[in-house]
Amino acid sequence: DQQVKQNSPSLSVQEGRISILNCDYTNSMFDYFLWYKKYPAEGPTFLISISSIKDKNEDGRFTVFLNKSAKHLSLHIVPSQPGDSAVYFCALGSNYKLTFGKGTLLTVNP
Amino acid sequence: EAQVTQNPRYLITVTGKKLTVTCSQNMNHEYMSWYRQDPGLGLRQIYYSMNVEVTDKGDVPEGYKVSRKEKRNFPLILESPSPNQTSLYFCASSITFGTGFVNEQYFGPGTRLTVT
Repeated sequence: DQQVKQNSPSLSVQEGRISILNCDYTNSMFDYFLWYKKYPAEGPTFLISISSIKDKNEDGRFTVFLNKSAKHLSLHIVPSQPGDSAVYFCALGSNYKLTFGKGTLLTVNP
Repeated sequence: EAQVTQNPRYLITVTGKKLTVTCSQNMNHEYMSWYRQDPGLGLRQIYYSMNVEVTDKGDVPEGYKVSRKEKRNFPLILESPSPNQTSLYFCASSITFGTGFVNEQYFGPGTRLTVT
C-alpha cells in the first residue's frame, strides 16, 4: 500500500516558466510535509516544509501548498531555472517517522 | 563545516558476510536516520533514532540493525547481507523539537552497496 504518491515520474518545463510538482497521500496521520531535491551522486537537500496547520509556505522562488481535505501537496517553483533540474521528493512525517514519495525528475530547458 | 559522513562510499560484498556502514554527524543533532534508494521506489526509511539509545523501525527494517551509543554516530549493520539489499544507502541527521517533528535533514553523500 503506497501511502505517498508522486504520480508524475518526470516533468519538463521551459526556463522562466512555473514548475508544479504534486504529491498525494492516503493517510491523515501525517502532520508535517517536506520537499527535498536530489542531484545525481549526491544526498538529498532540504527545500521547504509546511505543517498541517498551514496551507501555504513560501521561500523565495519555492512555494508549498497543502490541501488537507484533498490530501494533496504541491511545490511551485517560479521562475524555473536550469539549475533546478533534479529529482524532487515529497516527504511526509508523523511522530519522527518519514515516508517519501518515489520522486519526480524535473528538467528545466534553457 | 557541518556535515554527515558515511563510510565506505562504495562496497561490494558477498552474501552472508556481515558488514557495517558507519555514519557520523558533527552538528550535535538528536535525530538520525537511515534510508535506502532503489530505482522506481524512491527513498525508504530503514531505521531512525530520536536520541542516544532510542531507535525505532522505519518502513523497511528487515535484515538491518542499528545502534546509537553516541550522539554523533549511527552505524547500520547488515548481519547477513543478501542480494536484495543491493542499494544506495543514505544517512541523515536533524534537530528535533521534542514533538515528533523532523524538519530539515542533512543527508550524507550515500553508500553504494552491492551484494553478490
